[in-house]
Amino acid sequence: AQKVTQAQTEISVVEKEDVTLDCVYETRDTTYYLFWYKQPPSGELVFLIRRNSFDEQNEISGRYSWNFQKSTSSFNFTITASQVVDSAVYFCALSEGPGANSKLTFGKGITLSVRP
Amino acid sequence: KAGVTQTPRYLIKTRGQQVTLSCSPISGHRSVSWYQQTPGQGLQFLFEYFSETQRNKGNFPGRFSGRQFSNSRSEMNVSTLELGDSALYLCASSLESVNFYGYTFGSGTRLTVV
Repeated sequence: AQKVTQAQTEISVVEKEDVTLDCVYETRDTTYYLFWYKQPPSGELVFLIRRNSFDEQNEISGRYSWNFQKSTSSFNFTITASQVVDSAVYFCALSEGPGANSKLTFGKGITLSVRP
Repeated sequence: KAGVTQTPRYLIKTRGQQVTLSCSPISGHRSVSWYQQTPGQGLQFLFEYFSETQRNKGNFPGRFSGRQFSNSRSEMNVSTLELGDSALYLCASSLESVNFYGYTFGSGTRLTVV
């Protein structure tokens, strides 16, 4: 069975601080996909990144970066120089891939509050 | 390109009633999934439809059902509503391809059962 653990439930930082959101996953599949979604107060889940199990390259997109380590089954997300607009709930999710088993298994989410 | 559209945005129903929620996927997306989000259980998978067929189902009672039409639009129905069905219901669509890019979500329908 698949499982995603986001051990941090709430994080509060002051604007311009760096913050790392942790994600640990469990799966028996060799092919899988990992995602991060952002959920602002409006409720919509906004896609941030997708990573498949064969691509362990870290990725940077502006102030966002992701560290994927298969050896520790982790897919951590770092926001550099956080801003108030980053305040939201962040979800890490796991999927076996396209087709009949494409469902997403989500972690419980991390509520990030960025104070001015 | 229009995103995933869910209607209505908000709904208040009485215990014992039934409700139907609607989802229009992104044009060209044939896979539609539904998720329930509650404070206690988080985001849980309800079911997934592809080409009008239910392809996968989560662990929810039979009161929760869905369907998909030939234009890929989907509806989910909850019969005999219970207080615990109060939740945000999110619909998501996906382009079926070898390179799986995941799902695009709608803004959700917030259902309150009183």
